[in-house]
Amino acid sequence: GDSVTQMEGPVTLSEEAFLTINCTYTATGYPSLFWYVQYPGEGLQLLLKATKADDKGSNKGFEATYRKETTSFHLEKGSVQVSDSAVYFCALRLNTGGFKTIFGAGTRLFVKA
Amino acid sequence: DAGVTQSPTHLIKTRGQQVTLRCSPKSGHDTVSWYQQALGQEPQFIFQYYEEEERQRGNFPDRFSGHQFPNYSSELNVNALLLGDSALYLCASSLRLAKNIQYFGAGTRLSVL
Repeated sequence: GDSVTQMEGPVTLSEEAFLTINCTYTATGYPSLFWYVQYPGEGLQLLLKATKADDKGSNKGFEATYRKETTSFHLEKGSVQVSDSAVYFCALRLNTGGFKTIFGAGTRLFVKA
Repeated sequence: DAGVTQSPTHLIKTRGQQVTLRCSPKSGHDTVSWYQQALGQEPQFIFQYYEEEERQRGNFPDRFSGHQFPNYSSELNVNALLLGDSALYLCASSLRLAKNIQYFGAGTRLSVL
């Protein structure tokens, strides 16, 4: 079935370090791909998206490229800040049927000052 | 422009009781989806409503039911509450017939004692 697998956390980095959170997916057809961020006690915020192969989503210094050949959508940021500490969810949205969103298990990021 | 709004923000119930959660979609959106997020887990799809009908359903028992009103707002009802129903319930809205993103509300945190 359709699924998303992302690297386990927690990930602990020092401020200004480079961030990579790996995400791979399995899906029938051509889904749209997303990264959502969740801060403690809050709902989900869309961080970035890509709707077709080779699209690059970017926002607030975060980037991810839709790689169809490797079924991946890895999240990267060149220099993390303490305020980036949160849980990051990779997700896919099917573009047929009911368009439901399937989430990965989430990766908790801690950034130390 | 208001985003997705959910009410109440917090709720405490006891086992066996019934609960109703409410969601108003982002302006212009016609589709509402509900997700359950247990503590430390990823959101799980409950169901989706479009044109006042349930269009797709996840792996949740019939105790979970919903409704969509002509103004596109939606309710989630849970009967015969169990301790395991304690979670953050997220509502997401979108435009159905497009590769559009889902916007999430801040959620309702339900505690079942």
